[in-house]
Amino acid sequence: GENVEQHPSTLSVQEGDSAVIKCTYSDSASNYFPWYKQELGKGPQLIIDIRSNVGEKKDQRIAVTLNKTAKHFSLHITETQPEDSAVYFCAASRGYQKVTFGIGTKLQVIP
Amino acid sequence: EAGVVQSPRYKIIEKKQPVAFWCNPISGHNTLYWYRQNLGQGPELLIRYENEEAVDDSQLPKDRFSAERLKGVDSTLKIQPAELGDSAVYLCASVPPGGGGTDTQYFGPGTRLTVL
Repeated sequence: GENVEQHPSTLSVQEGDSAVIKCTYSDSASNYFPWYKQELGKGPQLIIDIRSNVGEKKDQRIAVTLNKTAKHFSLHITETQPEDSAVYFCAASRGYQKVTFGIGTKLQVIP
Repeated sequence: EAGVVQSPRYKIIEKKQPVAFWCNPISGHNTLYWYRQNLGQGPELLIRYENEEAVDDSQLPKDRFSAERLKGVDSTLKIQPAELGDSAVYLCASVPPGGGGTDTQYFGPGTRLTVL
């Protein structure tokens, strides 16, 4: 089955700095790579995703890159704000049917 | 549009007691997932339904866990008897038919179970 590794497990940045979270996956057939943000006491919420036919995708301060050859993908958050503090999960799947999540990264943005 | 609804939000029970969690997915979403999220970990799939059919229950510990989605809408996850190691957040998620074109899973707030 799919195995997703995520690092770092914790990340502290100063407000305004950038944050990068990296993930690797094992199943070359995976074609969908979502990123979820989970705030305390809430369920995960999709913030951005990328498919295997795209190398990079950007949405305002958030971007995701995918290297299919190396089987790794990364989340980049620029100009971090205190409200970006949360746990971020990467995931890999073949569509919506079987999604494997990473262990999560706890991001702390220090004002 | 209402999101995924789960109840209860919190549950504390003694070990060996039974417990049940309820999920109502977003209207029109025929795919429903139950996940378990241990502290400091990502969600792990327990079971996936397509309408009323459990199409992936390979990770469900069937000796003590059961689930049902009788009419293909809301679903119940049961543990009987509960063990200390079952303490976790139980998340429900749903997806529109065929992935809805985006494959995005919509999660409920979860039920936090504590087994004493």
